[in-house]
Formats: sequence, C-alpha cells, structure tokens
Amino acid sequence: AQSVTQLGSHVSVSEGALVLLRCNYSSSVPPYLFWYVQYPNQGLQLLLKYTSAATLVKGINGFEAEFKKSETSFHLTKPSAHMRDAAEYFCAVSAGPTGFQKLVFGTGTRLLVSP
Amino acid sequence: DTGVSQDPRHKITKRGQNVTFRCDPISEHNRLYWYRQTLGQGPEFLTYFQNEAQLEKSRLLSDRFSAERPKGSFSTLEIQRTEQGDSAMYLCASSSNTDTQYFGPGTRLTVL
Repeated sequence: AQSVTQLGSHVSVSEGALVLLRCNYSSSVPPYLFWYVQYPNQGLQLLLKYTSAATLVKGINGFEAEFKKSETSFHLTKPSAHMRDAAEYFCAVSAGPTGFQKLVFGTGTRLLVSP
Repeated sequence: DTGVSQDPRHKITKRGQNVTFRCDPISEHNRLYWYRQTLGQGPEFLTYFQNEAQLEKSRLLSDRFSAERPKGSFSTLEIQRTEQGDSAMYLCASSSNTDTQYFGPGTRLTVL
C-alpha cells in the first residue's frame, strides 16, 4: 500500500524567498512520485515527477524535487518565490508505471506568498 | 491535444436528485480515472477504466454511484439520490501508457 504525508497545511513565504514544501511517502514497492499544483477552482497541473531515473527532478516554473530513499522523502523546492506561485500543492505516489496506476495524494499544502 | 475537459463545471442540486457528469479525456488516452476532492483534502481515487473496461472501484464508490465509458472514449459519472455528503469536486484524469495522469478542471457539485 502507498501513502503520502505532507507536513504543514500552510506555508508562508515572502516574494523572493526559498520555497520548501515537505512530502514523505510510504510504499511497499519502488514508488513513482509526483507533485501537482492546483489553483483556485481549477484542476491539478503536473509540476514534476520521479520515475526511478535521476533522483533530482526538475519541473516547470522553476520547481525541483529530490528523491531521498533513505529518508522516504520527496520535498519540493524553488529558490525564489513569485506571487504567482501562491496555490495548493499536492504530493502523490503511485505503485509504478505499468498496469493500474491509482494515485494516492497527500492532504495538500497551501503556499502563501507575501510581497 | 486539447486537454481533459469536464462538463458541467458547476452543478447545484437538491438532496435526492440524480446528477450526471461527463469527462472527455485527451484523445487516444486509453486510461481514464475519476477522483473526488472534498474541501481541504487531496483527491481520493474513485474508479478507473482501461478502454471501456472498469477495472477497479474504490469503496468510496457506493451503490448510488455508477460510472461508464461505453466506447472507450468519454466517460460519465452518475450519482443517484444525492446526499449532502456528496458535495465535492469531481476530477477526471486520463493517461496513456506512461506514468502521467493529466487532470481536467473538475465538476464542483453542491447538494442543498
């Protein structure tokens, strides 16, 4: 079984500051890990994904995440926050690329960016 | 590639009424998923299709819920005898033989 824990339901940063959103996973098989962003009243947009290749994954909008098996973590970072980054961020895990790929999501972290 | 579309975007209904939502996946995507998202929570899996076959249903999908994908293209999700607890955002996603699911904008259901 797979599960995801996102620490911190809200994270506040100033524009230009480092963004760090935490995600820890539990998986009985090698996981595939994802970060999605959701803007108000919209669906989810894929930011980046880890699929057992490089452990440092670069995504859209300047975000990146590092897979650390020893820490069972997949934290999302961005060096410098922009106002447009304010949104809800979801970490998700799936059991792999083949066959059935149900995504299991965390409860989300709302990123607030102040001027 | 026009993305995943869902219709309607918003639905307000009275308790006890039936509602039906439609999802049009990205063309040629053979997998289609339904998720439900309640306020302050992450999406939760409901059901999954590969082509026209419904391969798994979550225990969240009570007998009042039914989903179809008759020709392996669009899908419908019907809720019968709606309850206030059914109020949520219903998200549809599709994928091909890769590991990425692409989500639609969702249908927000409000049951009065």
